[in-house]
Amino acid sequence: AQKITQTQPGMFVQEKEAVTLDCTYDTSDPSYGLFWYKQPSSGEMIFLIYQGSYDQQNATEGRYSLNFQKARKSANLVISASQLGDSAMYFCASQGDFGNEKLTFGTGTRLTIIP
Amino acid sequence: DTGVSQNPRHKITKRGQNVTFRCDPISEHNRLYWYRQTLGQGPEFLTYFQNEAQLEKSRLLSDRFSAERPKGSFSTLEIQRTEQGDSAMYLCASSFRELQGTYGYTFGSGTRLTVV
Repeated sequence: AQKITQTQPGMFVQEKEAVTLDCTYDTSDPSYGLFWYKQPSSGEMIFLIYQGSYDQQNATEGRYSLNFQKARKSANLVISASQLGDSAMYFCASQGDFGNEKLTFGTGTRLTIIP
Repeated sequence: DTGVSQNPRHKITKRGQNVTFRCDPISEHNRLYWYRQTLGQGPEFLTYFQNEAQLEKSRLLSDRFSAERPKGSFSTLEIQRTEQGDSAMYLCASSFRELQGTYGYTFGSGTRLTVV
């Protein structure tokens, strides 16, 4: 079974500052994937970034980067130069190995960017 | 093809009635997933299909719930004898199994069910 823990229910960040959203995971699968999704107030889940458990480098996508620390089982999302449009719920999710390939989500972090 | 489409967007039903939701995935995608999201929580997995085969069902999916994906295209999720606890957002997602790491799963906008 997979478990995702997001310990920050809400965060307030000044515009243009960087922000780190925490995520720890628990899995017994030897191979797994980690995802981050953004959910604005409109409700749609927007894929941000993916990290495979065997990827040698941390994933980056534009202003998003994933700080993957395998030994600590953490997969924190870093947003650089935050913008007002970044205000949303952010969910970390994991996907297991073959035969266990559904996404398991955490409870999310509500990020609010302050002008 | 503009993404994953879900209908209806909203559904209000009386307790005990049956409801059916539809999901039209991105046509090239071979995987289709159903999730349920209640207020303040992350989405919870219900079931998923590879083409027309239903590969896994969550224990959350009681015998009042049934999902189908005939011909591996659109999918329907039916809830029989609805209860107030079924009130939630029902999300559908699709993916191309081999490219999940690149493009993730694409979610629809969801169907919000309210049972009164």
